[in-house]
Amino acid sequence: AQSVSQHNHHVILSEAASLELGCNYSYGGTVNLFWYVQYPGQHLQLLLKYFSGDPLVKGIKGFEAEFIKSKFSFNLRKPSVQWSDTAEYFCAVTPLNTGFQKLVFGTGTRLLVSP
Amino acid sequence: EADIYQTPRYLVIGTGKKITLECSQTMGHDKMYWYQQDPGMELHLIHYSYGVNSTEKGDLSSESTVSRIRTEHFPLTLESARPSHTSQYLCASSGVSYNSPLHFGNGTRLTVT
Repeated sequence: AQSVSQHNHHVILSEAASLELGCNYSYGGTVNLFWYVQYPGQHLQLLLKYFSGDPLVKGIKGFEAEFIKSKFSFNLRKPSVQWSDTAEYFCAVTPLNTGFQKLVFGTGTRLLVSP
Repeated sequence: EADIYQTPRYLVIGTGKKITLECSQTMGHDKMYWYQQDPGMELHLIHYSYGVNSTEKGDLSSESTVSRIRTEHFPLTLESARPSHTSQYLCASSGVSYNSPLHFGNGTRLTVT
């Protein structure tokens, strides 16, 4: 069975700092990868996803993630964070082209951006 | 904006009570899901449905049950709540295509005393 590791449980940054959140997965086959975000008091929403093609994926609000197959990683990055990026970020993986019933989430990283 | 609604948002209830957590979506999605999330832990799938009269158990064993009598409605029931059921319950839905996004509700935070 696949699993997802998010090594940073809490991250605190100042505005304009660069962000990189780690995500590693374990699964022997081809996967679809996701990053979800949950802003305070709001529902989980999709930030970006990788299905195939260019391993550098652009998402909403200036976020991007790079799929490195050899490292089983899908790290999330943003060059310059804003206070409004304060949220909890979840990495998730599912075997290629299967439905969400096989989706596995990481434990999440809570990001606090101080103004 | 998500068009998936969960009620109640918060629920504190005593042991032994029967509870139903409501989930409705207005997007016409066939697929719906229930996840359970404890603080600092992963979301775990406890139930899913591919359509009306279809329900399946997820990877995490749960004493809860679900029903899918209407496309838009996917309630979760606990016949006899226990403190071990204290958790956050998230409902989600998705379209037919495997790459259609997963839409989440705001969740129900359940506390059983």
